Amino acid sequence: DAGITQSPRHKVTETGTPVTLRCHQTENHRYMYWYRQDPGHGLRLIHYSYGVKDTDKGEVSDGYSVSRSKTEDFLLTLESATSSQTSVYFCAISPQGGASTNEKLFFGSGTQLSVL
Amino acid sequence: EDQVTQSPEALRLQEGESSSLNCSYTVSGLRGLFWYRQDPGKGPEFLFTLYSAGEEKEKERLKATLTKKESFLHITAPKPEDSATYLCAVQAETSYDKVIFGPGTSLSVIP
Repeated sequence: DAGITQSPRHKVTETGTPVTLRCHQTENHRYMYWYRQDPGHGLRLIHYSYGVKDTDKGEVSDGYSVSRSKTEDFLLTLESATSSQTSVYFCAISPQGGASTNEKLFFGSGTQLSVL
Repeated sequence: EDQVTQSPEALRLQEGESSSLNCSYTVSGLRGLFWYRQDPGKGPEFLFTLYSAGEEKEKERLKATLTKKESFLHITAPKPEDSATYLCAVQAETSYDKVIFGPGTSLSVIP
């Protein structure tokens, strides 16, 4: 299994509170991604990073921010959590992103976030 | 807009009953189409990558095929351990940093 650890695995929080999810990798891969997974929508990209301090938005980035100060860590922050952000959040990594034609994503085990 | 749809949403098979899952895509230049398997409570796990129409890939009881508009995941003589959600995803030439996922097909194989 790819060395990806997500923490926490489960989180319950209240509307309006800040929440930070952490993704840690031991593979030294360049690209890291945050997805959310909701019934009927599949996996949707929130933000991704292509290097330390280099990040970009995905299709559902509103209400989320990210930071990557080290190759191995990618943080996802909900500045003020809302009930619509209740979801399962997955971190993924890849060595080259889209630069390689044989690219595949390696996923963590996910964080179940409930915003009450 | 790049888009991926999958059908059926859910599929229930008897053990040994072969079937196919469909993935339809709209993308401005296909760079790659991916199939992933996801077990409950876990992250998706990579199965195949297909790059051009006519290409086929096989792994045990699974075979993935690709046309210009669709991909099929054929499951031959499935076993209960094949029960999972199967996700299709595409990577476009114009946005190669991003992979767009379909909603998945939930497969249940009954002994």
